[in-house]
Amino acid sequence: KQEVTQIPAALSVPEGENLVLNCSFTDSAIYNLQWFRQDPGKGLTSLLLIQSSQREQTSGRLNASLDKSSGRSTLYIAASQPGDSATYLCAVAQGGSEKLVFGKGTKLTVNP
Amino acid sequence: GAGVSQSPSNKVTEKGKDVELRCDPISGHTALYWYRQRLGQGLEFLIYFQGNSAPDKSGLPSDRFSAERTGESVSTLTIQRTQQEDSAVYLCASSDPPGLAGGLFHEQFFGPGTRLTVL
Repeated sequence: KQEVTQIPAALSVPEGENLVLNCSFTDSAIYNLQWFRQDPGKGLTSLLLIQSSQREQTSGRLNASLDKSSGRSTLYIAASQPGDSATYLCAVAQGGSEKLVFGKGTKLTVNP
Repeated sequence: GAGVSQSPSNKVTEKGKDVELRCDPISGHTALYWYRQRLGQGLEFLIYFQGNSAPDKSGLPSDRFSAERTGESVSTLTIQRTQQEDSAVYLCASSDPPGLAGGLFHEQFFGPGTRLTVL
């Protein structure tokens, strides 16, 4: 059974810092990996999607990497801002339905 | 529509009552997924639709849970005889159909969710 783990569970940093969020998964047979952000009381916003054949994806200040063989992904956030404060979720797609298996998230607080 | 929509946004019900949650996927998306997020837990997969058939129901927690979909449009998740442990945020997502297309597997787009509270 696929298990997705995110470390740390919570992170508090001062504005301007570069930071790394970690995600690990136990079964490397995945189709893709998605990073989402979730704001309180709101749904999920997709940040980056990495196909299983890819190593990384970049969008603005965000960079996500994928090492499928070792079951790891990282989300790098450059020059963090208070608006980045949210819970970040990692999810892997697998099975014929490509259903997503989620980690429990990392709650990020960026202090002004 | 522009995105996935869900209704109601909030639902409070009494234990034992039935509830229906609605999801409108992105127009043209044939795949539709239901997930739930209980307090302090990660999101859990419930059911997947391709068109109006549900080839993967493996996440439904009990026979009190059922879902249907009309064509490639609206889906309804029904919970009968609700229990307090059913309290959660229920999220719907849609995508293009699973499987490679141009070497890519498809991204899922999520709605805002329905917060269900069972008293």
